[in-house]
Amino acid sequence: DVKVTQSSRYLVKRTGEKVFLECVQDMDHENMFWYRQDPGLGLRLIYFSYDVKMKEKGDIPEGYSVSREKKERFSLILESASTNQTSMYLCASRRRDSKYGYTFGSGTRLTVV
Amino acid sequence: GQNIDQPTEMTATEGAIVQINCTYQTSGFNGLFWYQQHAGEAPTFLSYNVLDGLEEKGRFSSFLSRSKGYSYLLLKELQMKDSASYLCAVRDLRGATNKLIFGTGTLLAVQP
Repeated sequence: DVKVTQSSRYLVKRTGEKVFLECVQDMDHENMFWYRQDPGLGLRLIYFSYDVKMKEKGDIPEGYSVSREKKERFSLILESASTNQTSMYLCASRRRDSKYGYTFGSGTRLTVV
Repeated sequence: GQNIDQPTEMTATEGAIVQINCTYQTSGFNGLFWYQQHAGEAPTFLSYNVLDGLEEKGRFSSFLSRSKGYSYLLLKELQMKDSASYLCAVRDLRGATNKLIFGTGTLLAVQP
């Protein structure tokens, strides 16, 4: 069964901390995505990556960066966490030539205090 | 710009049929997806439409009209376990991107 694994299910961090959210997929997918999900706002795209070492800004990249050094791993970095980054973070992946949608990870609920 | 609209909440009765509508505006349309998301869990793929018409998969069907920018998800013989959020998403191919734009989701409550 295909899998997208996010390293933490729940995370509590302090304001100003540097935070790393890790996502690993075992499907050899080229495309990977980071979304955040907030009530009333739905899923919003933060960053995505076409392939290894490639990255593109999504709709709300401010305050975030990403790293894709290996095909299977896509990391989301909060350079200096703030309370407005408290959210559910969802990672997803997709094979480049697939006509179907994404496979999502279980999510990381991040609370910044 | 991009805009996807779907109702915020719906309530239906076990055993009944419910239709969840989704309207969209996007300049680079290349397919519409429906996902199901139970509380605290990841979204899971339900259906995909790229051509006009109805796609049926068991108790779930999805319809697309590209000229109207409209889709619906039809759930038949509702079960309690169908209580979840249903997310409409449009694949946008503008520029070099190939990404999904999501609506805010419809929270469906199935009552006994």
